[in-house]
Amino acid sequence: GENVEQHPSTLSVQEGDSAVIKCTYSDSASNYFPWYKQELGKRPQLIIDIRSNVGEKKDQRIAVTLNKTAKHFSLHITETQPEDSAVYFCAASIGGDSWGKLQFGAGTQVVVTP
Amino acid sequence: AAGVIQSPRHLIKEKRETATLKCYPIPRHDTVYWYQQGPGQDPQFLISFYEKMQSDKGSIPDRFSAQQFSDYHSELNMSSLELGDSALYFCASSSSGISYEQYFGPGTRLTVT
Repeated sequence: GENVEQHPSTLSVQEGDSAVIKCTYSDSASNYFPWYKQELGKRPQLIIDIRSNVGEKKDQRIAVTLNKTAKHFSLHITETQPEDSAVYFCAASIGGDSWGKLQFGAGTQVVVTP
Repeated sequence: AAGVIQSPRHLIKEKRETATLKCYPIPRHDTVYWYQQGPGQDPQFLISFYEKMQSDKGSIPDRFSAQQFSDYHSELNMSSLELGDSALYFCASSSSGISYEQYFGPGTRLTVT
């Protein structure tokens, strides 16, 4: 079935350093790839997304890259700050006409230490 | 800006009871999604509705049912509750005109005792 794998499961970085989270997917029909940030007990918050016709997208300190051939996409956070500490989930749309059904990765716990 | 509203925020039920969770999407959003998230796990897709019709189905137990009403709000009905149903239940909404961008509500924490 459809599968999204996410690595690493935990990531500890010093404030000011960069963080990179990688995901792979299996459904070749996937065409939408969002990233969510979730703080403990709170809702997943959409932070950036990318569609299959784009290779890279950037929003301030956050960037996402997509390699459709290799079926992997990555989240890059530069100049990390303590408030970036959270669980980050990647996701991929399932099926080309699936009305946005998402398969999530298992999540990455990011800890930014001052 | 208006966000997705969910009620109740917390719910405690006993085994074999029923529960109804409500979701009010962002204004002008026509698609609603329901997710279940266990502790330390990723959100699992349950079911979605577009223009009041079921559009996709995921790992939703037969004991659960859902619908979307004419005002686009949605309700998730859960019967014969089991201890394993304890989880955070999120509703998300999107606009078919801006396809796929899903915005999550604050969630309903369901505890089954």
